[in-house]
Amino acid sequence: QVQLEESGGGLFKPGGSLTLSCAASGFPFIDYYMNWIRQSPGKGLEWVAYISHRSNTVYYADSVKGRFSVSRDNANSSLYLHMNRLRAEDTAVYYCAGWELLVSDAFEIWGHGTVVTVSS
Amino acid sequence: EIVLTQSPATLSVSPGGSATVTCRASQSVRTNLAWYQQTPGQAPRLLVSGASSRATGVPARFSGSGFGTEFTLTISTLQSEDSAVIYCQQYERWPYTFGQGTKLEI
Repeated sequence: QVQLEESGGGLFKPGGSLTLSCAASGFPFIDYYMNWIRQSPGKGLEWVAYISHRSNTVYYADSVKGRFSVSRDNANSSLYLHMNRLRAEDTAVYYCAGWELLVSDAFEIWGHGTVVTVSS
Repeated sequence: EIVLTQSPATLSVSPGGSATVTCRASQSVRTNLAWYQQTPGQAPRLLVSGASSRATGVPARFSGSGFGTEFTLTISTLQSEDSAVIYCQQYERWPYTFGQGTKLEI
């Protein structure tokens, strides 16, 4: 079945770096536009980053621009979020989510999320 | 950035009743609006896209409508498992944005 599984979360210090991974299975990953979305404790949803199916186009939220970068490896059905210069406000559950080419840009598929805590 | 404002913040409804959540956009998003349901500890689940098209597997008692700047999601014949936070989201223009959420209590 369609599955997205995030990994790489944990406890990190302010100013530090980490890379989140999202492993896809059960569907043609190359046919999906992918995103990272986060949810701070007790808060709502915030879109973070987008990457097109062949990595030609990427977008970032202003809150992470210049610090985070998104990439994907279609051969291995994997999505990544490289996070640098971490701040306390980056503490959140990070979800990978996406939609299929030629279908609406609603987030059709979601992973279960990975928790990132930034604290000294 | 397009701001989405949901109302009410919290909605308490008895089982078997119906609930309506409203989402207002700060500028037109045409029909590029989706609704999601998030139960505690779970990832959001897509309910409706294109303002009114139910996602695969979503029961017919979930109904979306609207165009431009005003949208509604109506859930009828409410069941206890419908307790969740409901979010709207626009995909008219980057950055894609979410409403602040409506907590639905059954």
